Amino acid sequence: EVVLTQSPGTLSLSPGERATLSCRASQTVDSKYLAWYQQKPGQAPRLLIHGASSRATGIPDRFSGSGSGTDFILTISRLEPEDFAVYYCQQYHRTPRTFGQGTKVEIK
Amino acid sequence: QVQLVESGGGLVKPGGSLRLSCAASGFTFSDYYMSWIRQAPGKGLEWLAYITASGSTIHHADSVKGRFTISRDNARNSLFLQMNSLRAEDTAVYYCARDGRFTSMSPTDYWGQGTLVTVSS
Repeated sequence: EVVLTQSPGTLSLSPGERATLSCRASQTVDSKYLAWYQQKPGQAPRLLIHGASSRATGIPDRFSGSGSGTDFILTISRLEPEDFAVYYCQQYHRTPRTFGQGTKVEIK
Repeated sequence: QVQLVESGGGLVKPGGSLRLSCAASGFTFSDYYMSWIRQAPGKGLEWLAYITASGSTIHHADSVKGRFTISRDNARNSLFLQMNSLRAEDTAVYYCARDGRFTSMSPTDYWGQGTLVTVSS
């Protein structure tokens, strides 16, 4: 099973600041099969990024993804008030599909 | 637009059974792989199972293998999760989710709003 470890657990930032979230895999993941999701309280997750760097439909360009092999990054260039949420990475390269434990981006 | 609506959640005693349903609309259901994913209260996401577009192949997470079974009825645009031998640790919100068109190598792009299953005596 591919274990995904996200860091940090919590990121305290102010609106307008840059957020950098990390996702590290226990074994190589083909970058074509790495996704990022955003989840707000009481809501289902929303797909942000797939294929490590491709934004899903309707996702603003302040969200970007990068990385390869075992290390992947989600960057939010300038935090908007609606971006404060929990973010999960997921690999869909191998079964079982696995998620990271999440990074909470909170208002400082 | 794509809609996934789960139903069938509720309170069940340990050892009991429950069958979750998911009604899909807004897309050609029979073309898509589908998954169940859950989230325990205050915890992260856990993938449980997926089923191919035709329903011919299924995969389950080890944590539920032998207890839970995913299935689908393409004529009724419906996805199911039969849950047996339920335990307290199965308490979670259960999400129905859409995967790829004729492929598993595609992200989960749509999620339902979830149905809460509570296992307690």
